[in-house]
Amino acid sequence: KNEVEQSPQNLTAQEGEFITINCSYSVGISALHWLQQHPGGGIVSLFMLSSGKKKHGRLIATINIQEKHSSLHITASHPRDSAVYICAVRSGEAGGTSYGKLTFGQGTILTVHP
Amino acid sequence: ETGVTQSPTHLIKTRGQQVTLRCSSQSGHNTVSWYQQALGQGPQFIFQYYREEENGRGNFPPRFSGLQFPNYSSELNVNALELDDSALYLCASSLGVVLSVGELFFGEGSRLTVL
Repeated sequence: KNEVEQSPQNLTAQEGEFITINCSYSVGISALHWLQQHPGGGIVSLFMLSSGKKKHGRLIATINIQEKHSSLHITASHPRDSAVYICAVRSGEAGGTSYGKLTFGQGTILTVHP
Repeated sequence: ETGVTQSPTHLIKTRGQQVTLRCSSQSGHNTVSWYQQALGQGPQFIFQYYREEENGRGNFPPRFSGLQFPNYSSELNVNALELDDSALYLCASSLGVVLSVGELFFGEGSRLTVL
């Protein structure tokens, strides 16, 4: 079992739909990142969370530390939201050799049709 | 535009050769981390540098090594290249303090092909 699991792996939506991508993790973390990767490789950081909820425009990210679960929501989805969305958790083991290590989920491929 | 630049953007090497990839971090960022992303897979953490010292490493062999310079730019060196080293290599910079690292800003990556 991977330390970071995302679901679904593939997601197809119609423009305007509300989208949810889930991330579950099994290790202790100091922070969780949601990233967006477009074809060609460039990665953009969407959110960094250690508790609660954050909102940027149509994007909302939540995290439940007790349940080791985070969700990324996109309201009123648009074709330009089509990308791979990646959840990554940062190791919380300060001082160890893996300190600062980011462990990535396998990504969710989102396609939004007009 | 994140302010993080990587070079070269593409390169081709043959097995056994050595490669150096470079990353200029965003102004003011003192932490750089490197990742390997094979085709169709998620990135894998290679290592992280904070104020010129390696302070975190993933499961990569010693032939993957790095440096961070006083201006916080960084290099990734890979010796004795193998075919499986073919991947997109990403660097990310952030503003870190002891025991904490802030939001990440990624470069566009260097795509390495090993023949």
